[in-house]
Amino acid sequence: DTGVSQDPRHKITKRGQNVTFRCDPISEHNRLYWYRQTLGQGPEFLTYFQNEAQLEKSRLLSDRFSAERPKGSFSTLEIQRTEQGDSAMYLCASIGAGLTAFFGQGTRLTVV
Amino acid sequence: KQEVTQIPAALSVPEGENLVLNCSFTDSAIYNLQWFRQDPGKGLTSLLLIQSSQREQTSGRLNASLDKSSGRSTLYIAASQPGDSATYLCAVRWGSGAGSYQLTFGKGTKLSVIP
Repeated sequence: DTGVSQDPRHKITKRGQNVTFRCDPISEHNRLYWYRQTLGQGPEFLTYFQNEAQLEKSRLLSDRFSAERPKGSFSTLEIQRTEQGDSAMYLCASIGAGLTAFFGQGTRLTVV
Repeated sequence: KQEVTQIPAALSVPEGENLVLNCSFTDSAIYNLQWFRQDPGKGLTSLLLIQSSQREQTSGRLNASLDKSSGRSTLYIAASQPGDSATYLCAVRWGSGAGSYQLTFGKGTKLSVIP
């Protein structure tokens, strides 16, 4: 499968725990985005990487959130001290030279 | 700041009908516009990408148009089928400064095609 891959697909965690999600973009796509989507809403921008450089972070991304893309390939999104309000679908997308954004299947986070 | 609005929020049509979904955006300085489909609990599937210099794109029964100057796009679905039932999302790609480009989404139109 050469699409965008996200892991895990589902995560249930207790409030206060840390969680980490992984995104593997389409090979050679240099742009990678993270989005968050809650029920009935469109995806909201969290952060953007071009290669390994994190070029933009949304104000939605509090100090508890951190994202990395260490070698310009896969990316991780970590949430520390999770809160119930963090429950959402976390989506990753990559864009290559063709400019079409391809999304993964998402990681659904439930904080209990 | 770019804002994207999709109307209607929900739409129910009988099978076989042609339909139009609407998307509007506030800042016409966009690079491209993309339509996506999302099934419940799933990720987004790209349907059509229209570059800012283009007026329309077609794929099978789908046709998307773009009027950048008025900040509008439409997605036309011909001969709708029950399998078309999903949420349709519109997203615009724009430059948010310092070499960064964002995709900003509308809230989507939830389409139900009744057999």
